[in-house]
Amino acid sequence: DIQMTQSPSSLSASVGDRVTITCRASQGISNYLAWYQQKPGKVPKLLIYAASTLQSGVPSRFSGSGSGTDFTLTISSLQPEDVATYYCQKYNSAPTFGQGTKVEIK
Amino acid sequence: EVQLVESGGGLVQPGGSLRLSCAASGFTFSTYWMHWVRQAPGKGLVWVSRISSDGSSTSYADSVKGRFTISRDNAKNTLYLQMNSLRAEDTAVYYCARGVTVAVTTPLEHWGQGTLVTVSS
Repeated sequence: DIQMTQSPSSLSASVGDRVTITCRASQGISNYLAWYQQKPGKVPKLLIYAASTLQSGVPSRFSGSGSGTDFTLTISSLQPEDVATYYCQKYNSAPTFGQGTKVEIK
Repeated sequence: EVQLVESGGGLVQPGGSLRLSCAASGFTFSTYWMHWVRQAPGKGLVWVSRISSDGSSTSYADSVKGRFTISRDNAKNTLYLQMNSLRAEDTAVYYCARGVTVAVTTPLEHWGQGTLVTVSS
């Protein structure tokens, strides 16, 4: 089975900082990679799919890149409302989530 | 507007059974693959199972294979998850979810609010 590993598991950054989260697949998954945001007590929200396609309505400060085994989610300028846990997910064959990255404001 | 409403959660003893339901509305239910995803308290998201639009194809996470059964009733626009031989580690909020597109390989765009299953004596 393909494993999805995110890093870091948590981070703390200042408002306005550029934040990068990494997701690595144990085998190549082409671009079948999505990113989700889950705020405390809320349902997960799809941010990005096909590794780099921004879901409708998602602020442009979010971006995704990568293909094969290595992927990144970037928040270009961190905002207070971005405090959440972020998950990557491969969605080809057996869907699998990464373990999550908790983002906090410093 | 797409709506997914789960029900059927609750407290069950280890070894017991529970059936979850997910009532769908606002889209043509019979054309979409549907999924169940769970989240243990304070933990991450874990994909559980999916079913094809006509119910003929299913797949499961290894952790629930042989114990859980996903099914659907397209006439009732309802998705189900029959959970047997429940264990403490099955305690979680269970979400039903629908993909962006009708394809099997699609990320999950629409999520229900979840139903809590607690397995404890």
